Amino acid sequence: DAGVIQSPRHEVTEMGQEVTLRCKPISGHDYLFWYRQTMMRGLELLIYFNNNVPIDDSGMPEDRFSAKMPNASFSTLKIQPSEPRDSAVYFCASSWASGGPGNEQFFGPGTRLTVL
Amino acid sequence: KQEVTQIPAALSVPEGENLVLNCSFTDSAIYNLQWFRQDPGKGLTSLLLIQSSQREQTSGRLNASLDKSSGRSTLYIAASQPGDSATYLCAVYFGNEKLTFGTGTRLTIIP
Repeated sequence: DAGVIQSPRHEVTEMGQEVTLRCKPISGHDYLFWYRQTMMRGLELLIYFNNNVPIDDSGMPEDRFSAKMPNASFSTLKIQPSEPRDSAVYFCASSWASGGPGNEQFFGPGTRLTVL
Repeated sequence: KQEVTQIPAALSVPEGENLVLNCSFTDSAIYNLQWFRQDPGKGLTSLLLIQSSQREQTSGRLNASLDKSSGRSTLYIAASQPGDSATYLCAVYFGNEKLTFGTGTRLTIIP
């Protein structure tokens, strides 16, 4: 298996632009997580899905952030409009259902977002 | 508030030495604890997962222990190598639908 795949790996955009990050989880995994990592705040869970259904989006910072999972093999995280404080590394992770959200998680390589 | 703490934030050790990384958590009612490794510019790699009913887990030169009553876990690395240099994070599942991560310990192995 190729592991969790994220694209793009790097994104540089200007304030106000729309940004879409993409994730393909490991085949057969039932949970998908979106995280954000910054030096100041460390790793933060933004939202997670179980069987394509959003379960907890309490970590989404603002309405500018939205996430979808139209099928078991694809998810997007969208920021519209983007702001400089959104600059961070965004990770996608997936896991099997057994053990719930606390089961072993497999992370993608991340997308480094820079908003100018 | 459920928190996970890792001290120190950075550690340098000569190659070949054994070392211990620490993780402490505020609530002993945990479901499991995971140790991850993160290389610069890369994602997190799961190293070990310890269930609440276990006291330790081993994988190669790595051994993770769990003491729920004292709210502590340690990651023991034997015979350290330069390739072990990375940031190590622990994450606790308190059963509240998400992992709570520590801020990590940046480990440097000096050749």
